[in-house]
Amino acid sequence: NAGVMQNPRHLVRRRGQEARLRCSPMKGHSHVYWYRQLPEEGLKFMVYLQKENIIDESGMPKERFSAEFPKEGPSILRIQQVVRGDSAAYFCASSPLAGPNYGYTFGSGTRLTVV
Amino acid sequence: AQKVTQAQTEISVVEKEDVTLDCVYETRDTTYYLFWYKQPPSGELVFLIRRNSFDEQNEISGRYSWNFQKSTSSFNFTITASQVVDSAVYFCALSEVSAGGTSYGKLTFGQGTILTVHP
Repeated sequence: NAGVMQNPRHLVRRRGQEARLRCSPMKGHSHVYWYRQLPEEGLKFMVYLQKENIIDESGMPKERFSAEFPKEGPSILRIQQVVRGDSAAYFCASSPLAGPNYGYTFGSGTRLTVV
Repeated sequence: AQKVTQAQTEISVVEKEDVTLDCVYETRDTTYYLFWYKQPPSGELVFLIRRNSFDEQNEISGRYSWNFQKSTSSFNFTITASQVVDSAVYFCALSEVSAGGTSYGKLTFGQGTILTVHP
């Protein structure tokens, strides 16, 4: 039973390029959360998705960032026209049902570096 | 709004010492969950414990123990006889359950405590 898979592990982008981060939740998990960890900071919630729906995007920057979780395939966090301040570790977590009582499984993260 | 404070930014100990990592939280909800995660130098997040607000029993797992005190809104983590492999960043996190009994349960993390255990 594979855990939460995130790829790539490391991603380097030049300023102005697009970054696509992928998250495949654990088998049977239909709830995905994305978090961002800026250097030397804690993790900050970005967005919560269920299959084909965005439930809460209160932590997403208003511009350039978007997320999706299609019926088939992984969840994608997309950052357009990246800037140096986007450099961070991006983690996704999945759970089988909504609510903290079901627990969360985190992926290993994607480290984005913008040069 | 919920908030988690880990006042200790960095702690340095020598192997075999006991160490306690503090976590204080704020929430308006009566139902919530508290978590501890470990982030070793390799960067992944390792789940350590989940505790709901109705269970104030302390928990021990090997060298790890947790002290949950609702009266002081604290959920402290103690490592007994620390080892070099315990060196990591430790995060405390909180997830509320709304009054309706359902929640999408996003986590609010503290800033983390960097623990360094020297041989």
